[in-house]
Amino acid sequence: AQRVTQPEKLLSVFKGAPVELKCNYSYSGSPELFWYVQYSRQRLQLLLRHISRESIKGFTADLNKGETSFHLKKPFAQEEDSAMYYCALKKTDKLIFGTGTRLQVFP
Amino acid sequence: SQTIHQWPATLVQPVGSPLSLECTVEGTSNPNLYWYRQAAGRGLQLLFYSVGIGQISSEVPQNLSASRPQDRQFILSSKKLLLSDSGFYLCAWSYSGSSYEQYFGPGTRLTVT
Repeated sequence: AQRVTQPEKLLSVFKGAPVELKCNYSYSGSPELFWYVQYSRQRLQLLLRHISRESIKGFTADLNKGETSFHLKKPFAQEEDSAMYYCALKKTDKLIFGTGTRLQVFP
Repeated sequence: SQTIHQWPATLVQPVGSPLSLECTVEGTSNPNLYWYRQAAGRGLQLLFYSVGIGQISSEVPQNLSASRPQDRQFILSSKKLLLSDSGFYLCAWSYSGSSYEQYFGPGTRLTVT
């Protein structure tokens, strides 16, 4: 069955520290993966997609098919990165979301 | 520009009462529409989605149902609410054929007492 796993419910770091939000998936076929973010008092929104291989707000995510992972990384965390992050896997007309990781960045 | 509306923003209902949550999208035609429930520790659970008027796919068999009476209107309903129906309900839309980028509404906080 298709599944997205985010093992950490909460990740706390200090400003300037590196951040890695973990995401593992199970999918038979060629996966399309995404990261969504929800800042405080804002709506859930798309952060990045693996196909575009882009860096958004300093975040990158590389699809590792061997490890079935799509971890979200940023070398130097900022306080404004504090938010809820969801990893998602595309399946036909829908997305399968993970349980989310709350990132707290302390000053 | 496209906008998505949900109402009400909050709702407190007794067990056994009916439910109707509404979601409408403006500024686009024939969108894909989605209902999710967001719960702490359980992430975003897809409840229903629709790729066209009258076309509803149910992901989780439960006490809820969905309908799409118009192209840009999506309704989540229940005939009799259970305590376990409490939660935060999100509606989202995407362009037809591009389900990966979904645009979410502000959500409805439902408390069943």
